[in-house]
Amino acid sequence: DQQVKQNSPSLSVQEGRISILNCDYTNSMFDYFLWYKKYPAEGPTFLISISSIKDKNEDGRFTVFLNKSAKHLSLHIVPSQPGDSAVYFCAASAGTGNQFYFGTGTSLTVIP
Amino acid sequence: DTAVSQTPKYLVTQMGNDKSIKCEQNLGHDTMYWYKQDSKKFLKIMFSYNNKELIINETVPNRFSPKSPDKAHLNLHINSLELGDSAVYFCASSQGAWAGQGAPTSSVEETQYFGPGTRLLVL
Repeated sequence: DQQVKQNSPSLSVQEGRISILNCDYTNSMFDYFLWYKKYPAEGPTFLISISSIKDKNEDGRFTVFLNKSAKHLSLHIVPSQPGDSAVYFCAASAGTGNQFYFGTGTSLTVIP
Repeated sequence: DTAVSQTPKYLVTQMGNDKSIKCEQNLGHDTMYWYKQDSKKFLKIMFSYNNKELIINETVPNRFSPKSPDKAHLNLHINSLELGDSAVYFCASSQGAWAGQGAPTSSVEETQYFGPGTRLLVL
């Protein structure tokens, strides 16, 4: 039973435009969310996080939005750069410890 | 100066063999994890150790046995390998000194740092 879903396996965006990656979850107890970025043959690296007390968190070109009522979060990358091409995983935790549930990832390609 | 390292990076072996994957972190973290990423790219937690004690043990066949000789190391031993064990295995660590109850006290503690993965292929 997949509690975190990324329904778009891939996304292509022109350089300089906005990339929007989406993530949905089913467990209303989730209260902490992270995005990870993964290059081929490497492990996921932490990108940005948000807790349920916020609806937006920004870090440079990356912004994460959380819509608790819709159980939906999104990652916005503006402007997109070719180096952003990677697989992006969202993950969620119910705050009962460090057990995270991961989505299956979205492969982002930024076209120069 | 790799933060979380795993060996080997690639492992090709026959069904029925026993193999081990090693993980080491030099971040001074208290908690370490093993994840399995299957062919559908689903990243699922297998085990979590905090200060050498097992705190998460998901539904994993008992052919998989984690061992933590100290808090900087978490090794994964797999007995009687099966075709379905073929996957990428990621080790991770986090700062949190979570003892199994309650939420970590800060978001810094929750962030997990991943190793590069071990690609296991069982023939």
